[in-house]
Amino acid sequence: GAGVSQSPSNKVTEKGKDVELRCDPISGHTALYWYRQSLGQGLEFLIYFQGNSAPDKSGLPSDRFSAERTGGSVSTLTIQRTQQEDSAVYLCASSLEGAWDTEAFFGQGTRLTVV
Amino acid sequence: AQSVTQLGSHVSVSEGALVLLRCNYSSSVPPYLFWYVQYPNQGLQLLLKYTTGATLVKGINGFEAEFKKSETSFHLTKPSAHMSDAAEYFCAVSADTGNQFYFGTGTSLTVIP
Repeated sequence: GAGVSQSPSNKVTEKGKDVELRCDPISGHTALYWYRQSLGQGLEFLIYFQGNSAPDKSGLPSDRFSAERTGGSVSTLTIQRTQQEDSAVYLCASSLEGAWDTEAFFGQGTRLTVV
Repeated sequence: AQSVTQLGSHVSVSEGALVLLRCNYSSSVPPYLFWYVQYPNQGLQLLLKYTTGATLVKGINGFEAEFKKSETSFHLTKPSAHMSDAAEYFCAVSADTGNQFYFGTGTSLTVIP
């Protein structure tokens, strides 16, 4: 596609339920990032995929959070047993691995509300 | 590895006043530096970037930033703030020998009429 696509754009879920957030990066971009942006807060790094290398999971806030990237393209962020503090906008970005003088491209985000 | 620090999570300026948003970076190799802007309820978009060459770079909407190696800074400025500049601004760094982009936590700019 022309840009990074995230779905759904909005998700309301009940506390304790699991959710899956999807990210479709720009074709050919092998680097993919997930960030979280809570109300009034900055960007919080969650996880980074780089080609076929093991992902950098250092930003995942708890073991309820996991992410995978299938076939080096689409990525899914899963939050198990959601809590109200998980409510935030989840942003995905992709970039050309190795071309660090080019920008990272962001999706519009998924707004997650846990009630 | 690289890192970014944005001083001031919230900045308020009067309409027509100078905008100055601060960004300091840490990098053991020549950095690439970026400023992104996020307008309310929108995604992040690139405002400007420094890679090599001229240290003063110009971006969209009248913004510019200057790479100062001696100060490890890449502050964002605009001579005259406009109401439409109200947004969240993020500084980011990368490098050829790094393996990802590192973002600051952001600065929220409020423009007072």
